[in-house]
Amino acid sequence: QQPVQSPQAVILREGEDAVINCSSSKALYSVHWYRQKHGEAPVFLMILLKGGEQKGHEKISASFNEKKQQSSLYLTASQLSYSGTYFCGTEGGSRSTSGTYKYIFGTGTRLKVLA
Amino acid sequence: DTGVSQNPRHKITKRGQNVTFRCDPISEHNRLYWYRQTLGQGPEFLTYFQNEAQLEKSRLLSDRFSAERPKGSFSTLEIQRTEQGDSAMYLCARLNRDRRFYGYTFGSGTRLTVV
Repeated sequence: QQPVQSPQAVILREGEDAVINCSSSKALYSVHWYRQKHGEAPVFLMILLKGGEQKGHEKISASFNEKKQQSSLYLTASQLSYSGTYFCGTEGGSRSTSGTYKYIFGTGTRLKVLA
Repeated sequence: DTGVSQNPRHKITKRGQNVTFRCDPISEHNRLYWYRQTLGQGPEFLTYFQNEAQLEKSRLLSDRFSAERPKGSFSTLEIQRTEQGDSAMYLCARLNRDRRFYGYTFGSGTRLTVV
């Protein structure tokens, strides 16, 4: 039930690009992306709502394919500050007893950018 | 300043003791969430409040766990008779539904170590 992220880990050199994928077995209403640095709380990056939209945040953008129940996060010209663990958070599947969609975080992708 | 304040930041306790964590959202928010995160994993949902009402609880929240939000502002999470398996980071979050920023804002968390 937990969304699966790939790759599990990736090492880049500064300036290189990376793609992180998030795949769910449930129909999705929205996908959120977060970055978490060691010992800190996750920080929200962006949200994508169903409709196949793509969004950008600095040099980080993302897409959402609701038919495939997948989202991808694109990091271009990576910087040292991009290092951390990236999580997707998905809203979808069945509604909870309070009427809201279930919200589940993905398995995480560790990203390390080297100078 | 994440907009959500949690204390204490760290707590070391002996197995069997009770612990209480506090969460203060900086501004008034209807919804307040508690998550638990273990090393290398994504946050796992525990419970959430709509104002002072606790609307949903995860199966992860055993009888030893109790959460309150007495006046619809700050919230507390208590763990009774702590076990080593309770060691984790406990995160409090508010859900922002602003058009420009729709996502979770997490507090810095309380890291619990049960020895």
